[in-house]
Amino acid sequence: EVQLVQSGAEMKQPGESLKISCKGSGYSFTDYWIGWVRQMPGKGLEWMGIIYPVDSDTRYSPSFQGQVTISVDRSISSAYLQWSSLKASDTAMYYCYSRGEYWGQGTLVTVSS
Amino acid sequence: QPVLTQSSSASASLGSSAKLTCTLSSGHSTYIIAWHQQQPGKAPRFLMKLGGGTYNKGSGIPDRFSGSSSGADRYLTISNLQSEDEADYYCETWDSNTRVFGGGTKLTVL
Repeated sequence: EVQLVQSGAEMKQPGESLKISCKGSGYSFTDYWIGWVRQMPGKGLEWMGIIYPVDSDTRYSPSFQGQVTISVDRSISSAYLQWSSLKASDTAMYYCYSRGEYWGQGTLVTVSS
Repeated sequence: QPVLTQSSSASASLGSSAKLTCTLSSGHSTYIIAWHQQQPGKAPRFLMKLGGGTYNKGSGIPDRFSGSSSGADRYLTISNLQSEDEADYYCETWDSNTRVFGGGTKLTVL
């Protein structure tokens, strides 16, 4: 069974850094891209970017380029979404998904002073 | 880059059918799209891919869910509506290495 398991909810202050994770299992991790999707409270899905685990080739939506960093660690079948300096507007649910078919359970990020 | 347009809301009665539409922007009418369902408080779930001769449903998706295409329009039809079908439905497409979601349709089961 294919599973994407994300790290737990985070509560951070503005200006802090954060790295959330998404661990794949039940399939060959390097065979399929992994993407990240943002969902702000009460809003729709926004595609942020994807990474190809086989070579770490990464593509970002123009809306998120320079705002986040997507990375991968093939040795532990995990992908990451990282912020260097969080803003209150980063408060959202973040989902990883792979191959367009498999979704993680989501990680809620709350940024508040 | 393609743009996907969805109606913001739809409604249908319990036991009836609902047909949701996702329209691809000009010049992208042959693109394949995916439909995803997001029930309240849950993560999205992949339903199917369709378009360009492709039609693949996700594992475990009931037969009540079906898809079809006409020109730039991609349809998701849900027959024999159940209360658990009340959800947000998103279409998604991709171009080279970028992907885009439609704004989503909130389906209310009356």
